[in-house]
Amino acid sequence: DSGVTQTPKHLITATGQRVTLRCSPRSGDLSVYWYQQSLDQGLQFLIQYYNGEERAKGNILERFSAQQFPDLHSELNLSSLELGDSALYFCASSVMGMNTEAFFGQGTRLTVV
Amino acid sequence: GESVGLHLPTLSVQEGDNSIINCAYSNSASDYFIWYKQESGKGPQFIIDIRSNMDKRQGQRVTVLLNKTVKHLSLQIAATQPGDSAVYFCAERGGNQFYFGTGTSLTVIP
Repeated sequence: DSGVTQTPKHLITATGQRVTLRCSPRSGDLSVYWYQQSLDQGLQFLIQYYNGEERAKGNILERFSAQQFPDLHSELNLSSLELGDSALYFCASSVMGMNTEAFFGQGTRLTVV
Repeated sequence: GESVGLHLPTLSVQEGDNSIINCAYSNSASDYFIWYKQESGKGPQFIIDIRSNMDKRQGQRVTVLLNKTVKHLSLQIAATQPGDSAVYFCAERGGNQFYFGTGTSLTVIP
């Protein structure tokens, strides 16, 4: 158990809908990262937050957004969902920034039908 | 964009043998590299990292080698065990984000 908790574990939704994925980082970790893992594109970095502020942005679509709350948990919002958004979404956390070991959650499997 | 590629998508080794997993990266300015292990149904797990000012780093049964001249990273696993069967990813930090390889699937034959 990495200490990073993601909910829900599975999510099935229809095209055009909006969903929210939740992540609770390890106790004491200030950084939260979101990743998308699909079969055809592997693991893609989406976005990083550090202590409530956006720190780095990767290949995140405009339809997607994230935030980190004062209690350091984070949410990833996916809107106007398309079939191609079906993937595993991972959250990871680390004590500091990108040069420290990150611990991954078990992921949320999103299926868009 | 960045390109991190793996030479072999699959690797099978006999239990007890050493495993070597390779990774090529494209950005000579990348300054930090990580190897991850991902077992089926689980999130990636950090194995070992190395900064660009180093050529070699050792952990418990694992060694990472960095050759900046040819932009090549390798992960060596000593005395491979059945529990090592998983997909292994390399990742490089370029700019302000990480780029991941597609992964190598390691199968350990008992």
